[in-house]
Amino acid sequence: EAGVTQFPSHSVIEKGQTVTLRCDPISGHDNLYWYRRVMGKEIKFLLHFVKESKQDESGMPNNRFLAERTGGTYSTLKVQPAELEDSGVYFCASSQVAGTAHYGYTFGSGTRLTVV
Amino acid sequence: EDQVTQSPEALRLQEGESSSLNCSYTVSGLRGLFWYRQDPGKGPEFLFTLYSAGEEKEKERLKATLTKKESFLHITAPKPEDSATYLCAVRMDSNYQLIWGAGTKLIIKP
Repeated sequence: EAGVTQFPSHSVIEKGQTVTLRCDPISGHDNLYWYRRVMGKEIKFLLHFVKESKQDESGMPNNRFLAERTGGTYSTLKVQPAELEDSGVYFCASSQVAGTAHYGYTFGSGTRLTVV
Repeated sequence: EDQVTQSPEALRLQEGESSSLNCSYTVSGLRGLFWYRQDPGKGPEFLFTLYSAGEEKEKERLKATLTKKESFLHITAPKPEDSATYLCAVRMDSNYQLIWGAGTKLIIKP
């Protein structure tokens, strides 16, 4: 089966611009998660979708970040306007069952965002 | 505060030299502890889940163990292809978020 796909793989934008990241989960996975790792820090949770609904968005840093999941399929994460501290690697993961501990979550390769 | 700490930050071993990586955690209501492997430019790749103290899991040269306060990832007779960053994460009862450690960068020299 195809894995979790994220694009773009890299994005360099200027402060104040808008960027949209996309994640295509594994087909049939209702649960989709966004995480990010900023330079020198641990990976941090951003939010969790179940189908098209936001189950938990407690990790979203501020209202410059907007996540959507159209029809319960792919998801987008928009940053508007981008700030320097938003630079980092944004990971998407999916799972068939929420919190499926037995098989873990399947992660994409990430989008490396650089804000200059 | 819920926290996951991994040590050491980096570890260099000769091929065949066994060692252990540590993951200590302070969380309320542990639901599961995960080990992942991450290669440069890739996302984390799932290795193991441990649920309760005393549990052990094995996969090839890797063995993960869990106590009430920490987990160890033992690597036996490692090969250069085992070089990667090993990440530990925990999930609590209260939600589906993973709380991550900073990782241990493992380098195996031939």
